[in-house]
Amino acid sequence: NAGVTQTPKFRVLKTGQSMTLLCAQDMNHEYMYWYRQDPGMGLRLIHYSVGEGTTAKGEVPDGYNVSRLKKQNFLLGLESAAPSQTSVYFCASSNRRGAHSYEQYFGPGTRLTVT
Amino acid sequence: AQSVAQPEDQVNVAEGNPLTVKCTYSVSGNPYLFWYVQYPNRGLQFLLKYITGDNLVKGSYGFEAEFNKSQTSFHLKKPSALVSDSALYFCAVRAGTTSGTYKYIFGTGTRLKVLA
Repeated sequence: NAGVTQTPKFRVLKTGQSMTLLCAQDMNHEYMYWYRQDPGMGLRLIHYSVGEGTTAKGEVPDGYNVSRLKKQNFLLGLESAAPSQTSVYFCASSNRRGAHSYEQYFGPGTRLTVT
Repeated sequence: AQSVAQPEDQVNVAEGNPLTVKCTYSVSGNPYLFWYVQYPNRGLQFLLKYITGDNLVKGSYGFEAEFNKSQTSFHLKKPSALVSDSALYFCAVRAGTTSGTYKYIFGTGTRLKVLA
């Protein structure tokens, strides 16, 4: 199986443009997460989902929206991109049962630049 | 506030020597603790976790970590470092939220450099 995949891998946006990042997982995980990684700040949680049709705000949700219409997909939207949203975005998923419970599996990341 | 601290931005160690990467945490309730490793231009990879049981946890690639409740620490260790261990290491803790769900809080990362 592919694990966690992210689309696209790279993107350059102009200020004010919108885009959607797609995350897909094939492990039937319940939980999914979107993080951003900035130098010296580690990973910060943007939004997360504990199941299909549910989403919740994380540490830095402003300027982002998410949707989880299907269990395997978690979409992150930027409605009006700003230079402060230049970052590397990671999606992750996890389960709360079984031998690998609570371990997060990460996608390869999306490098977004907003000019 | 719930948090994770990695006090060292970078740790340098000679190949073959033991290594330690430090992590302390502040969380209410029983902590679930994790270590992840990130190689350049890659996503994070799970190394090991502590949920309950033996305080010494063994993980991938010969790494281990010791949970110390009194010191609220979860330091990552390896008896003999390899050059290929050079990477960015993150400590994380699972924390409760006000809505009754859980989320993960990550430290800022420690860059490990193993010198040949």
